[in-house]
Amino acid sequence: EAGVTQFPSHSVIEKGQTVTLRCDPISGHDNLYWYRRVMGKEIKFLLHFVKESKQDESGMPNNRFLAERTGGTYSTLKVQPAELEDSGVYFCASSHQAAGNTIYFGEGSWLTVV
Amino acid sequence: GQQLNQSPQSMFIQEGEDVSMNCTSSSIFNTWLWYKQDPGEGPVLLIALYKAGELTSNGRLTAQFGITRKDSFLNISASIPSDVGIYFCAGRPYFTGTASKLTFGTGTRLQVTL
Repeated sequence: EAGVTQFPSHSVIEKGQTVTLRCDPISGHDNLYWYRRVMGKEIKFLLHFVKESKQDESGMPNNRFLAERTGGTYSTLKVQPAELEDSGVYFCASSHQAAGNTIYFGEGSWLTVV
Repeated sequence: GQQLNQSPQSMFIQEGEDVSMNCTSSSIFNTWLWYKQDPGEGPVLLIALYKAGELTSNGRLTAQFGITRKDSFLNISASIPSDVGIYFCAGRPYFTGTASKLTFGTGTRLQVTL
């Protein structure tokens, strides 16, 4: 069974540009999460989808971040326009609705804004 | 928001030594999880704890859910070089509006020398 996959694995963009990160959760997992770790800090929650609906987006930093999950399958996280402080690792995770405590993480998308 | 204080921040130990790290919170948690992140990878779940006082082992790893619900520790016995990585505690606050949102500690970076 394939795990949570994320693309791209690494991205370097200039301040003001746009980046779109993609996440493919484990097949059959209704719950999809985005987390972020800025250098040296803790991993912080961004938002949570249940199928295609945003269950909780309380962790989204500001309106430069837009997450979507059309059709309840893969999800995208767009940062527009990117700022220097957006640099970090963006993790996607998923879990099955019936076993919500076991959350599986992807390898992360490493974003550097210069 | 919720904060988890994880210590130590980093450890240098010799192969064969035992390791101990812990997390504390100012508020009650109803779930404690311990993850390990290898370089370039996403966090991988090591141990999950669901009840106050629970003591759970996974091979050389042992973790406990504190009686007060405000702390947890992870022990690694007889460390080996592949134990190198960053260990994160994570928990779900007792009074959370979203059952699945995790709060992470800042991580303990473990380095094992031969």
